[in-house]
Amino acid sequence: GNSVTQMEGPVTLSEEAFLTINCTYTATGYPSLFWYVQYPGEGLQLLLKATKADDKGSNKGFEATYRKETTSFHLEKGSVQVSDSAVYFCALSDRAGGSYIPTFGRGTSLIVHP
Amino acid sequence: DTGVSQDPRHKITKRGQNVTFRCDPISEHNRLYWYRQTLGQGPEFLTYFQNEAQLEKSRLLSDRFSAERPKGSFSTLEIQRTEQGDSAMYLCASSLDRDVAEAFFGQGTRLTVV
Repeated sequence: GNSVTQMEGPVTLSEEAFLTINCTYTATGYPSLFWYVQYPGEGLQLLLKATKADDKGSNKGFEATYRKETTSFHLEKGSVQVSDSAVYFCALSDRAGGSYIPTFGRGTSLIVHP
Repeated sequence: DTGVSQDPRHKITKRGQNVTFRCDPISEHNRLYWYRQTLGQGPEFLTYFQNEAQLEKSRLLSDRFSAERPKGSFSTLEIQRTEQGDSAMYLCASSLDRDVAEAFFGQGTRLTVV
């Protein structure tokens, strides 16, 4: 079956530091990959996505590249801000059994200090 | 359209009582998903609708859980004879009926069983 593995959190950084959150996946088919973000008290929001190998998704300074050879989709940002403090979820969706049900990792909490 | 809405936002119930949650998806979205999220975990898939048809159910969904989506619009999730282990955040998401379609989430219903 499908699964997503994320690095354990919390990740604690100072403002303007470089961020990497690792994500690897297992899928039966050829999945699309997503990063979602959940700010305190809010629902999950799509941050970025990539649909095929070597695609790079980007949004709000965050980037992730679909690496089929390493089954990875690591999230990066060059300079984090306090407002980036949230929980980040890696997810995949593929056509297993004819449906595209998103499968999520357990989430990685990011805390950014001023 | 203001996105996916869920009602109520919070529900406290006594063990053994029945509860029902409602989800209103984005109006043009054919697909609707229910997930459960507990503290420190990612969303766990419960069930999936394509229009009014319930196409998949997780093994997590015991026979005390039932979901409907009459007329392919809003959906309800009912839990009968609630148990303390049912305490969680219940998330609803919807998406377009396309191969690569990101899911849009509501803010969730937080259930506490006392």
